[in-house]
Amino acid sequence: AQSVTQPDIHITVSEGASLELRCNYSYGATPYLFWYVQSPGQGLQLLLKYFSGDTLVQGIKGFEAEFKRSQSSFNLRKPSVHWSDAAEYFCAVYGQNFVFGPGTRLSVLP
Amino acid sequence: GAGVSQSPRYKVAKRGQDVALRCDPISGHVSLFWYQQALGQGPEFLTYFQNEAQLDKSGLPSDRFFAERPEGSVSTLKIQRTQQEDSAVYLCASSSDKEQYFGPGTRLTVT
Repeated sequence: AQSVTQPDIHITVSEGASLELRCNYSYGATPYLFWYVQSPGQGLQLLLKYFSGDTLVQGIKGFEAEFKRSQSSFNLRKPSVHWSDAAEYFCAVYGQNFVFGPGTRLSVLP
Repeated sequence: GAGVSQSPRYKVAKRGQDVALRCDPISGHVSLFWYQQALGQGPEFLTYFQNEAQLDKSGLPSDRFFAERPEGSVSTLKIQRTQQEDSAVYLCASSSDKEQYFGPGTRLTVT
């Protein structure tokens, strides 16, 4: 069975600081990997995805993520956080079906 | 172009009532997914359609939950005899490949 863990329930960073959100997955093969963002009362918006090829993928809003097969990880990064990035972030994997992690809530201090 | 739309956006039901939640996917998208998102949690898979065929309903929590997509476009998620534990946001997503596009969700509150 596939699963996704996001070890950090809540992260607070200052505006302009760098960000890394962790995601680990469990699946027998290489799955398709996704990061979504959800603002309060909104649906989920796709930030980026990894299917194959280059393990460093670029997404929208200045986000990037790196797939590390040896660590079964797909961590999300951003070099400089903006106040508008405050939201809930979900990592998801598609193997047999779509499985989402529990989410990490990001707060941004002015 | 239009994205995925869901209606109603909010629904309050008394315990024991039946509810029907509608999803209009992006035109031409073959795949359609339903998820349940409880407060403070990630979306949990409920069911999946490819065109009108329901290929996976393993996530439906009980036989009170039923989904259909009779013509391969609009889908309806029906919950019979609602219970308080059914209170959640129900998300619909459509996909033409492995990338899903989500609707805004329907927030169901069972009182």
